[in-house]
Amino acid sequence: EVQLVESGGGLVRPGESLRLSCAASGFSFTYYTMNWVRQAPGKGLEWISSISGTGDSMHYADSVRGRFTISRDNAKKSLYLQMDSLRVEDTAVYFCATSRSGAGASSKWFDPWGQGTLVTVSS
Amino acid sequence: SYDLTQPPSVSVSPGQTATIACSGDELESKFVCWYRLNPGQPPILVIYENGQRPSGIPERFSGSNSGKTATLTISGTLPMDEADYYCQVWDSVTERVIFGGGTKLTVL
Repeated sequence: EVQLVESGGGLVRPGESLRLSCAASGFSFTYYTMNWVRQAPGKGLEWISSISGTGDSMHYADSVRGRFTISRDNAKKSLYLQMDSLRVEDTAVYFCATSRSGAGASSKWFDPWGQGTLVTVSS
Repeated sequence: SYDLTQPPSVSVSPGQTATIACSGDELESKFVCWYRLNPGQPPILVIYENGQRPSGIPERFSGSNSGKTATLTISGTLPMDEADYYCQVWDSVTERVIFGGGTKLTVL
């Protein structure tokens, strides 16, 4: 069974750091670009970062660039998100998700998703 | 930056057809996918590549993309279809994933 399980969420104060993990199973993790997507309370989905299968190409949303770092350990089939200088507006459920691609260069979608882990930034 | 626009809410009666629009510049040149999101649950892919259904998604879900608007259509809507729906594209210029703002579908 294909499965993604996030962990590492919790309550932190503004300016502090947190590291999220996503454990993958049931598929060839190395072959897939992986992503982090978040949903703030009462808000929509926001893609925040992606990393290629080899780990040598990363992309970030403007809202987190310079503060968050995505990484992966293919031997451990794990994805990570190091979150530094956290802000109140980073409060959200964070999902990891697997990129899938179609025949077209711009054909990309996410499936499956993990259950999510809640990060709360509050003083 | 590239933006996708969805109506905040759509209402439909049980058994009727629900249509949820997603608009963006030159959207027809991109591949659109759709997710269903229920409270406390992860997003579920319901349509990819404009109109393809993943295995396990009922045939009542369909999608299209023409001009500046992509459309998710739910035929014979059931109460269990009540959820938030999000469209998504990949912007190859910025290499960013873009989500629409989401549409709350109410079945009443």
